[in-house]
Amino acid sequence: DVKVTQSSRYLVKRTGEKVFLECVQDMDHENMFWYRQDPGLGLRLIYFSYDVKMKEKGDIPEGYSVSREKKERFSLILESASTNQTSMYLCASSSPASGSNEQFFGPGTRLTVL
Amino acid sequence: GENVEQHPSTLSVQEGDSAVIKCTYSDSASNYFPWYKQELGKRPQLIIDIRSNVGEKKDQRIAVTLNKTAKHFSLHITETQPEDSAVYFCAASISTNAGKSTFGDGTTLTVKP
Repeated sequence: DVKVTQSSRYLVKRTGEKVFLECVQDMDHENMFWYRQDPGLGLRLIYFSYDVKMKEKGDIPEGYSVSREKKERFSLILESASTNQTSMYLCASSSPASGSNEQFFGPGTRLTVL
Repeated sequence: GENVEQHPSTLSVQEGDSAVIKCTYSDSASNYFPWYKQELGKRPQLIIDIRSNVGEKKDQRIAVTLNKTAKHFSLHITETQPEDSAVYFCAASISTNAGKSTFGDGTTLTVKP
């Protein structure tokens, strides 16, 4: 069974703080993704990575950066958190070796920026 | 880039009725179309998918149809049950594109007992 875990389920930060969200997967997946989920807006892709140290911008990368130093771990960084970054953040992973593009999601981190 | 539109945004049906959710996509190169179900407070999980070389796929009470010419695909749930209540997301992707998928905005399905 694929397992994708995220470092926190709930997080409260103050405006201007640097925030780290961590995601770990245990199935040796090449691809990893960060989304934010807001009501009525679906899943919007922030960044994704298809290999260690490789990253590509998604649809809404502004205000975020990512790091992938190891294959199993993909970190999302908010350099200076703002209130409009209050959201649910979902990490996912996938592998072309599976024969499909099925994504396996983590449980999510609900971030509140005050 | 790819654009996926999903309708309706909310859907309410009586238990036992059928439910249909429709999606359209813009990039004719897309060739993989998954559907994810997200129950309240839980993570999205794949329930069914279809590839562009297939027109229809069924799995018990769930079916997906694909019309490549019109660039639309639909999820059909028959004999709905209260446990089908959830948010459903469609997505479109190109299988060679590092697994990147574009998601629809989601449909909140409520099945009334």
